[in-house]
Parts: sequence; structure tokens; C-alpha cells
Amino acid sequence: NAGVTQTPKFRVLKTGQSMTLLCAQDMNHEYMYWYRQDPGMGLRLIHYSVGEGTTAKGEVPDGYNVSRLKKQNFLLGLESAAPSQTSVYFCASSWSGITDTQYFGPGTRLTVL
Amino acid sequence: LAKTTQPISMDSYEGQEVNITCSHNNIATNDYITWYQQFPSQGPRFIIQGYKTKVTNEVASLFIPADRKSSTLSLPRVSLSDTAVYYCLVDYSGNTGKLIFGQGTTLQVKP
Repeated sequence: NAGVTQTPKFRVLKTGQSMTLLCAQDMNHEYMYWYRQDPGMGLRLIHYSVGEGTTAKGEVPDGYNVSRLKKQNFLLGLESAAPSQTSVYFCASSWSGITDTQYFGPGTRLTVL
Repeated sequence: LAKTTQPISMDSYEGQEVNITCSHNNIATNDYITWYQQFPSQGPRFIIQGYKTKVTNEVASLFIPADRKSSTLSLPRVSLSDTAVYYCLVDYSGNTGKLIFGQGTTLQVKP
């Protein structure tokens, strides 16, 4: 039981490049989330999903897109990376409901030059 | 404007009780308060969750006063391994995805 895994662990991009972060969970959770973590700002919700085929905007969705084609996977895309998107990205999942306990992945450190 | 506020840092000594307060003055009747612990280079880990009054589990207690504008995470008899960042999370607007984390409190436990 791996829990929540994230791929890749580290990535460096140039401004304007695109990339996709992959989150996978093996707990059969309905809800999945993408956060970004910046120094002094805690974690901020980017997008979330309440089930396969659904997505919704969080607090800071601009510049990101997401997809949930399979229940166990939640993809976060950056179409045209900007230096302001340099951050640590965390994926999380929960069994049911926004208030349910969230299980976090180990994070992806992204640097945009 | 929904906002979750915590102290930036706290120091303690081994064996002491530590109380970390979170302010959330726009919380609604049905909003939950959850606390997470984070170690360097790891994702946050659930500690405790509450809705009102007091909740206790094997690692912590959560106190929520009647007005619910703040909450206090209590860690009994901390050890060096409790050195971490502690986050308060509030789900504003009752289950509609408005999840707001505090900026985190760095707890340093000294021997």
C-alpha cells in the first residue's frame, strides 16, 4: 500500500515550457487535491476533484489545469510555466468529503527559470 | 474575507505542554478545523480534527471555544521528535472547497 505518490520529485523548467505532474493513490479515495506550498504562505489549494471525471477550482487556480480521467490519478498541468510557479507542489486524497482526513504525497519541487 | 492565522514560531522544552492557537474569525456554523504536522521534505500528516468544544486523541487535544473564532492545538509533554511545522486548516463555507491553511507554526523543542 503506497498511499499517495507523486511524479516527478524534482523538476527544473524554463519560462514558457509546459509539464504535467502526476499524482496517484491506491486507497480508493474519491477526493483528490493539488496544493502549492511557498515560504511563509502555508499550503494553498489549486484545484481539487470530488470524483472521477470531475474537477473544481481552489484558491489559486490560474495558470494550472487538472484532469481526473481515472479515480486513482490526478494530473496537474502547467501550460506555460512562469517563475511565479516555482514552488513545492503537494497532492492529497481523502475518502469522502472536503472535511475528511487528507493523506498527502511527498511533494514535487518545481523550479521555473 | 476568510483567513486562517497562526503564530509563525514557538519554542518549548522536552516534557512541556505546548499550545498553538489558530484564529479563524469568519468560520461558519458547519466549518471544521483540522490540524496537520509537517516534517522537512515530507507532506503534511493529519493530527486531529474538531467541530466544537473539545476533541482528544492519542497524540493531541483540540479546544474550540463557543464562539469558534479560534482554536487551540494542545500537545502534551512534547519530545524532540515533535519539532515540526504545524498547520491549521479550516474548511470555510461548509464543504464547498474553500480550504484555507494557516501559514504554519514552526515548533522547536529543545532538550
